[in-house]
Amino acid sequence: NAGVIQTPRHKVTGKGQEATLWCEPISGHSAVFWYRQTIVQGLEFLTYFRNQAPIDDSGMPKERFSAQMPNQSHSTLKIQSTQPQDSAVYLCASSLTERLFFGHGTKLSVL
Amino acid sequence: GMPVEQNPPALSLYEGADSGLRCNFSTTMKSVQWFQQNHRGRLITLFYLAQGTKENGRLKSTFNSKERYSTLHIKDAQLEDSGTYFCAAEAGDKVVFGTGTRLQVSP
Repeated sequence: NAGVIQTPRHKVTGKGQEATLWCEPISGHSAVFWYRQTIVQGLEFLTYFRNQAPIDDSGMPKERFSAQMPNQSHSTLKIQSTQPQDSAVYLCASSLTERLFFGHGTKLSVL
Repeated sequence: GMPVEQNPPALSLYEGADSGLRCNFSTTMKSVQWFQQNHRGRLITLFYLAQGTKENGRLKSTFNSKERYSTLHIKDAQLEDSGTYFCAAEAGDKVVFGTGTRLQVSP
């Protein structure tokens, strides 16, 4: 079991470019969560899916951020027109029950 | 207020010392998890509790949903225990994280 896989590990984009982050949950896990971590805000909930359906996206910035889970094997977080304040570590987690298993995260740097 | 309050925000220990971290919840939580975030940023699950107490080596955690708190106790601190510790509580369908405790263990 490789655990939750996130790609890429590091992404550098220029201001205004698009960034797509990938997450492959643990096989068989029904829920996928996205979090963002910054020094200032700490760990922030963004959104989560259960059985591929979006359940709660209350943490997602209303503009420029979108998340999808087209199949049970991966989820994507897309940020359009990236801004420097989007720089953060984006963490994906999956779960079967309540226990979360996290990936290594994707460190996004917007220059 | 914050649904999950974690204290202390930072902690410095010498090797061999014992100490504890605490999370207080503003409402009744269904479960709690404790994580250690290592120097590479990876969140490693330490404990998952729906109630009661669990121990694993030098670590022990307690969750009291009725009294709305959870604790993580570290015994005989080692250098590799350094890192940031987070509690995360299940609130409805969402998991809410504490603000973290940055632990530094020195020789």
